[in-house]
Amino acid sequence: GAGVSQSPSNKVTEKGKDVELRCDPISGHTALYWYRQRLGQGLEFLIYFQGNSAPDKSGLPSDRFSAERTGESVSTLTIQRTQQEDSAVYLCASSSIRDRGMNTEAFFGQGTRLTVV
Amino acid sequence: GEDVEQSLFLSVREGDSSVINCTYTDSSSTYLYWYKQEPGAGLQLLTYIFSNMDMKQDQRLTVLLNKKDKHLSLRIADTQTGDSAIYFCAESAGSSNTGKLIFGQGTTLQVKP
Repeated sequence: GAGVSQSPSNKVTEKGKDVELRCDPISGHTALYWYRQRLGQGLEFLIYFQGNSAPDKSGLPSDRFSAERTGESVSTLTIQRTQQEDSAVYLCASSSIRDRGMNTEAFFGQGTRLTVV
Repeated sequence: GEDVEQSLFLSVREGDSSVINCTYTDSSSTYLYWYKQEPGAGLQLLTYIFSNMDMKQDQRLTVLLNKKDKHLSLRIADTQTGDSAIYFCAESAGSSNTGKLIFGQGTTLQVKP
């Protein structure tokens, strides 16, 4: 597709349930990022994938959060045993590598709005 | 660790200039970015500056970088009501720029007619 695609766009789940969020990056983009944006707040880094390197998981808030990416394609963010404080918009972005190994700009998807009730 | 700080709110009159400020901590950042988020929309890259530059101008946008003070600013000339949005400053973590982007909390720009 032309841009970063995320699904679902909205998800309402009951506390304690597991959820899986999907991100389709722009074709050919080697870098993929997940961010969380709570209501009225900035972007909180969660995890970063770069090609076949080990992902940077330093932003994951707890072991209930995990993410996978197959090669340079789709990524899924899984939240187990959801809590109300997990309610937020989860944003995915992708970028490619230009000359000299520098990342190009990150293109963002529209996000998945997660509501835990 | 890396940290990016911004003021939370700015209100200007239509036609005035807006200046949004940002400070960052990672002196090895290679690129610094300004993103715009309009209500109900995703983040859109407005402009970026390479760390060896002091200034970059792009139409109504001027980015100033003071590397010594780790201060970045975005000036919007002749601000329009359509510029009302949240503006995020971001730095690339680490000198290789193949790492994550760290964002500030965002500055809400309100443009009054």
